[in-house]
Amino acid sequence: DSGVTQTPKHLITATGQRVTLRCSPRSGDLSVYWYQQSLDQGLQFLIQYYNGEERAKGNILERFSAQQFPDLHSELNLSSLELGDSALYFCASSVAGYTGELFFGEGSRLTVL
Amino acid sequence: DAKTTQPTSMDCAEGRAANLPCNHSTISGNEYVYWYRQIHSQGPQYIIHGLKNNETNEMASLIITEDRKSSTLILPHATLRDTAVYYCIVRARIQGAQKLVFGQGTRLTINP
Repeated sequence: DSGVTQTPKHLITATGQRVTLRCSPRSGDLSVYWYQQSLDQGLQFLIQYYNGEERAKGNILERFSAQQFPDLHSELNLSSLELGDSALYFCASSVAGYTGELFFGEGSRLTVL
Repeated sequence: DAKTTQPTSMDCAEGRAANLPCNHSTISGNEYVYWYRQIHSQGPQYIIHGLKNNETNEMASLIITEDRKSSTLILPHATLRDTAVYYCIVRARIQGAQKLVFGQGTRLTINP
Protein backbone atom coordinates (compact mmCIF):
# COMPACT_ATOMS: atom_id res chain seq x y z
CA ASP A 1 0.00 0.00 0.00
CA SER A 2 1.61 3.23 -1.23
CA GLY A 3 -0.64 5.49 0.82
CA VAL A 4 -2.02 7.18 -2.30
CA THR A 5 -5.76 6.72 -2.71
CA GLN A 6 -7.56 6.97 -6.02
CA THR A 7 -11.27 6.85 -6.64
CA PRO A 8 -13.13 5.45 -8.41
CA LYS A 9 -11.21 2.26 -9.19
CA HIS A 10 -13.34 1.53 -12.24
CA LEU A 11 -15.53 3.80 -14.32
CA ILE A 12 -17.56 3.06 -17.42
CA THR A 13 -19.12 5.90 -19.33
CA ALA A 14 -20.19 6.94 -22.81
CA THR A 15 -18.57 9.12 -25.42
CA GLY A 16 -19.20 12.81 -24.93
CA GLN A 17 -19.55 12.50 -21.18
CA ARG A 18 -17.49 14.09 -18.43
CA VAL A 19 -15.87 12.35 -15.47
CA THR A 20 -13.83 13.36 -12.45
CA LEU A 21 -11.07 11.24 -10.99
CA ARG A 22 -9.96 11.91 -7.46
CA CYS A 23 -6.61 11.43 -5.75
CA SER A 24 -5.59 11.72 -2.11
CA PRO A 25 -1.81 11.90 -1.73
CA ARG A 26 0.22 10.30 1.04
CA SER A 27 0.08 12.17 4.29
CA GLY A 28 2.63 14.98 4.17
CA ASP A 29 3.21 14.88 0.43
CA LEU A 30 2.82 18.25 -1.24
CA SER A 31 3.18 17.25 -4.88
CA VAL A 32 0.70 15.34 -7.01
CA TYR A 33 1.22 13.92 -10.48
CA TRP A 34 -1.19 12.46 -13.02
CA TYR A 35 -0.26 9.83 -15.59
CA GLN A 36 -2.24 8.09 -18.31
CA GLN A 37 -1.56 4.54 -19.46
CA SER A 38 -3.44 3.15 -22.42
CA LEU A 39 -3.07 -0.35 -23.86
CA ASP A 40 -0.85 0.63 -26.74
CA GLN A 41 1.19 3.29 -25.00
CA GLY A 42 3.35 3.48 -21.95
CA LEU A 43 2.94 5.75 -19.00
CA GLN A 44 2.32 9.26 -20.25
CA PHE A 45 2.88 12.18 -17.93
CA LEU A 46 -0.08 14.56 -17.86
CA ILE A 47 0.43 17.19 -15.19
CA GLN A 48 2.03 17.96 -11.84
CA TYR A 49 0.89 20.17 -8.95
CA TYR A 50 2.89 21.30 -6.00
CA ASN A 51 1.10 22.76 -2.97
CA GLY A 52 -1.83 23.86 -5.08
CA GLU A 53 0.08 25.29 -8.00
CA GLU A 54 0.67 23.77 -11.40
CA ARG A 55 4.35 22.90 -11.79
CA ALA A 56 4.73 20.90 -14.96
CA LYS A 57 2.59 19.98 -17.89
CA GLY A 58 2.91 17.04 -20.24
CA ASN A 59 0.81 16.06 -23.23
CA ILE A 60 -2.46 16.80 -21.50
CA LEU A 61 -5.36 17.38 -23.86
CA GLU A 62 -7.33 20.62 -23.67
CA ARG A 63 -10.40 18.53 -22.82
CA PHE A 64 -8.62 17.47 -19.64
CA SER A 65 -8.03 19.68 -16.62
CA ALA A 66 -6.79 19.19 -13.12
CA GLN A 67 -6.46 21.02 -9.86
CA GLN A 68 -5.03 20.53 -6.42
CA PHE A 69 -7.11 21.75 -3.51
CA PRO A 70 -5.97 23.36 -0.21
CA ASP A 71 -6.23 19.99 1.54
CA LEU A 72 -3.80 18.73 -1.14
CA HIS A 73 -6.12 16.25 -2.77
CA SER A 74 -6.32 16.50 -6.52
CA GLU A 75 -8.94 15.95 -9.18
CA LEU A 76 -8.52 15.20 -12.86
CA ASN A 77 -11.46 16.23 -15.00
CA LEU A 78 -11.95 14.59 -18.38
CA SER A 79 -14.62 16.02 -20.66
CA SER A 80 -16.07 15.33 -24.11
CA LEU A 81 -14.80 11.81 -23.70
CA GLU A 82 -13.70 9.81 -26.71
CA LEU A 83 -13.11 6.10 -27.15
CA GLY A 84 -9.37 6.75 -27.15
CA ASP A 85 -9.53 8.16 -23.63
CA SER A 86 -10.08 4.67 -22.30
CA ALA A 87 -7.05 4.04 -20.13
CA LEU A 88 -5.65 3.62 -16.67
CA TYR A 89 -5.14 6.94 -14.95
CA PHE A 90 -2.57 6.96 -12.19
CA CYS A 91 -1.99 9.53 -9.53
CA ALA A 92 1.32 9.76 -7.72
CA SER A 93 2.60 11.91 -4.90
CA SER A 94 5.93 12.98 -3.49
CA VAL A 95 7.13 15.01 -0.58
CA ALA A 96 8.70 17.78 -2.59
CA GLY A 97 8.32 19.05 -6.11
CA TYR A 98 11.69 17.92 -7.40
CA THR A 99 12.27 14.49 -5.96
CA GLY A 100 12.17 11.48 -8.23
CA GLU A 101 10.72 9.20 -5.58
CA LEU A 102 7.07 9.06 -6.55
CA PHE A 103 4.46 6.92 -4.84
CA PHE A 104 1.71 5.76 -7.13
CA GLY A 105 -1.87 4.88 -6.43
CA GLU A 106 -3.58 1.80 -7.83
CA GLY A 107 -5.14 3.76 -10.65
CA SER A 108 -8.59 4.48 -12.01
CA ARG A 109 -9.57 2.39 -14.99
CA LEU A 110 -11.73 4.41 -17.36
CA THR A 111 -13.69 2.70 -20.10
CA VAL A 112 -15.43 4.88 -22.67
CA LEU A 113 -18.10 3.10 -24.73
CA ASP B 1 16.72 14.47 -19.62
CA ALA B 2 19.08 11.74 -20.79
CA LYS B 3 17.53 8.90 -22.73
CA THR B 4 17.84 5.32 -21.56
CA THR B 5 18.06 2.04 -23.42
CA GLN B 6 16.85 -1.21 -21.88
CA PRO B 7 16.34 -4.70 -23.28
CA THR B 8 12.72 -5.32 -24.18
CA SER B 9 12.47 -8.53 -22.20
CA MET B 10 14.45 -10.85 -19.95
CA ASP B 11 13.93 -14.15 -18.21
CA CYS B 12 15.36 -15.34 -14.91
CA ALA B 13 14.96 -18.50 -12.86
CA GLU B 14 13.33 -18.24 -9.48
CA GLY B 15 15.89 -17.97 -6.70
CA ARG B 16 18.61 -16.66 -8.96
CA ALA B 17 19.82 -13.08 -9.17
CA ALA B 18 18.13 -10.98 -11.82
CA ASN B 19 20.45 -8.42 -13.40
CA LEU B 20 18.69 -5.74 -15.43
CA PRO B 21 20.94 -3.48 -17.52
CA CYS B 22 20.31 0.10 -18.53
CA ASN B 23 22.32 2.26 -20.87
CA HIS B 24 22.33 6.01 -20.33
CA SER B 25 25.38 7.17 -22.22
CA THR B 26 24.26 10.82 -22.42
CA ILE B 27 23.66 11.22 -18.70
CA SER B 28 24.65 14.59 -17.24
CA GLY B 29 26.57 15.15 -14.05
CA ASN B 30 23.54 16.20 -12.04
CA GLU B 31 21.22 13.44 -13.24
CA TYR B 32 20.22 10.56 -10.99
CA VAL B 33 19.34 7.05 -12.10
CA TYR B 34 15.93 5.86 -10.86
CA TRP B 35 14.38 2.43 -11.10
CA TYR B 36 10.68 1.67 -10.92
CA ARG B 37 8.68 -1.43 -11.63
CA GLN B 38 5.08 -2.07 -12.60
CA ILE B 39 3.48 -5.38 -11.75
CA HIS B 40 0.71 -6.16 -14.24
CA SER B 41 -1.61 -3.13 -14.21
CA GLN B 42 -0.78 -1.94 -10.73
CA GLY B 43 0.68 1.48 -10.04
CA PRO B 44 4.42 1.75 -10.64
CA GLN B 45 6.55 1.14 -7.59
CA TYR B 46 9.71 3.03 -6.74
CA ILE B 47 12.66 0.68 -6.22
CA ILE B 48 15.90 2.59 -5.83
CA HIS B 49 17.94 5.50 -7.13
CA GLY B 50 21.55 6.62 -7.22
CA LEU B 51 23.90 9.28 -8.49
CA LYS B 52 27.33 7.68 -8.77
CA ASN B 53 27.84 5.36 -5.84
CA ASN B 54 26.37 1.89 -5.69
CA GLU B 55 23.21 1.72 -3.64
CA THR B 56 21.39 -1.07 -1.83
CA ASN B 57 18.07 -1.25 -0.06
CA GLU B 58 15.70 -3.99 1.02
CA MET B 59 14.44 -4.48 -2.50
CA ALA B 60 17.48 -4.31 -4.74
CA SER B 61 20.99 -3.14 -5.46
CA LEU B 62 21.97 -0.54 -8.02
CA ILE B 63 25.39 -0.69 -9.63
CA ILE B 64 26.45 2.39 -11.60
CA THR B 65 29.58 2.24 -13.73
CA GLU B 66 32.38 4.65 -12.97
CA ASP B 67 31.71 6.68 -16.12
CA ARG B 68 27.98 6.63 -15.22
CA LYS B 69 27.04 5.66 -18.76
CA SER B 70 25.29 2.48 -17.68
CA SER B 71 23.83 0.83 -14.63
CA THR B 72 22.49 -2.52 -13.48
CA LEU B 73 19.61 -3.23 -11.16
CA ILE B 74 20.11 -6.43 -9.22
CA LEU B 75 17.32 -8.40 -7.58
CA PRO B 76 19.41 -10.80 -5.49
CA HIS B 77 16.97 -13.70 -5.09
CA ALA B 78 14.20 -13.30 -7.62
CA THR B 79 10.76 -14.64 -6.81
CA LEU B 80 7.72 -15.12 -8.99
CA ARG B 81 6.32 -11.89 -7.54
CA ASP B 82 9.20 -9.99 -9.14
CA THR B 83 7.71 -10.59 -12.58
CA ALA B 84 7.05 -7.07 -13.81
CA VAL B 85 8.08 -4.33 -16.21
CA TYR B 86 11.16 -2.53 -14.90
CA TYR B 87 11.81 1.07 -15.86
CA CYS B 88 15.16 2.83 -15.76
CA ILE B 89 14.84 6.63 -15.71
CA VAL B 90 17.44 9.37 -15.48
CA ARG B 91 16.39 12.66 -14.03
CA ALA B 92 18.02 15.72 -12.59
CA ARG B 93 17.05 16.34 -8.99
CA ILE B 94 16.57 20.07 -9.18
CA GLN B 95 14.14 22.49 -7.67
CA GLY B 96 11.17 23.16 -9.84
CA ALA B 97 9.12 21.14 -12.24
CA GLN B 98 9.33 17.39 -12.03
CA LYS B 99 8.42 15.31 -15.04
CA LEU B 100 9.43 11.70 -14.62
CA VAL B 101 9.38 10.20 -18.11
CA PHE B 102 8.84 6.44 -18.38
CA GLY B 103 10.16 4.57 -21.40
CA GLN B 104 9.12 1.09 -22.52
CA GLY B 105 11.11 -0.68 -19.82
CA THR B 106 12.21 -4.31 -19.57
CA ARG B 107 9.62 -7.01 -19.12
CA LEU B 108 11.19 -9.39 -16.60
CA THR B 109 9.69 -12.85 -16.29
CA ILE B 110 10.71 -15.02 -13.36
CA ASN B 111 10.32 -18.68 -14.19
CA PRO B 112 9.72 -21.43 -11.60
